[in-house]
Amino acid sequence: DGGITQSPKYLFRKEGQNVTLSCEQNLNHDAMYWYRQDPGQGLRLIYYSQIVNDFQKGDIAEGYSVSREKKESFPLTVTSAQKNPTAFYLCASSIGRAGHGYTFGSGTRLTVV
Amino acid sequence: QQQVKQSPQSLIVQKGGISIINCAYENTAFDYFPWYQQFPGKGPALLIAIRPDVSEKKEGRFTISFNKSAKQFSLHIMDSQPGDSATYFCAAKNYGGSQGNLIFGKGTKLSVKP
Repeated sequence: DGGITQSPKYLFRKEGQNVTLSCEQNLNHDAMYWYRQDPGQGLRLIYYSQIVNDFQKGDIAEGYSVSREKKESFPLTVTSAQKNPTAFYLCASSIGRAGHGYTFGSGTRLTVV
Repeated sequence: QQQVKQSPQSLIVQKGGISIINCAYENTAFDYFPWYQQFPGKGPALLIAIRPDVSEKKEGRFTISFNKSAKQFSLHIMDSQPGDSATYFCAAKNYGGSQGNLIFGKGTKLSVKP
């Protein structure tokens, strides 16, 4: 079955540590996105990538980094510079720039301990 | 201009009633308006979407109403069921634009009481 796989489902991070969230898709979609979800805040765009080896900052990119070395993969690193990283992180993909077929993964819940 | 404003933040409806969620936008370049449904601990899933060439789209118990002049669109859930209890997000984008990302409202938490 085609879809987006995010792992792990739950992740715990100590303060000062970097952690990487995985996002893999087998939909052959060109574009991929990372969103952060906090209660009452909706979905806020962190980074997006429309083609391999290219990505752009979204609305809340500070403290995060991404890479897009393969079409299928778009990992997100939450760095120690992100002061409030506890949140639900969602990865999405779409067919291309027009955003056809926008599909979400099941999310990763990150908690700082 | 990039915002999508969604209301109410939360909604309680009795089983069998009509749930109505409203969204408003400013950017006149937006021409694609989807609604997403999200259950706790899951990612959002596309529920229904509309383009501005029609004023209404219906799929089963779910209807989108679109008012281009007022720059508003709404989701109506007829005969609401407890299984409809979820968070609903409206969204918008410029369908033919260079950026593929959707702009989301802040969400409405719907609770349908038995």
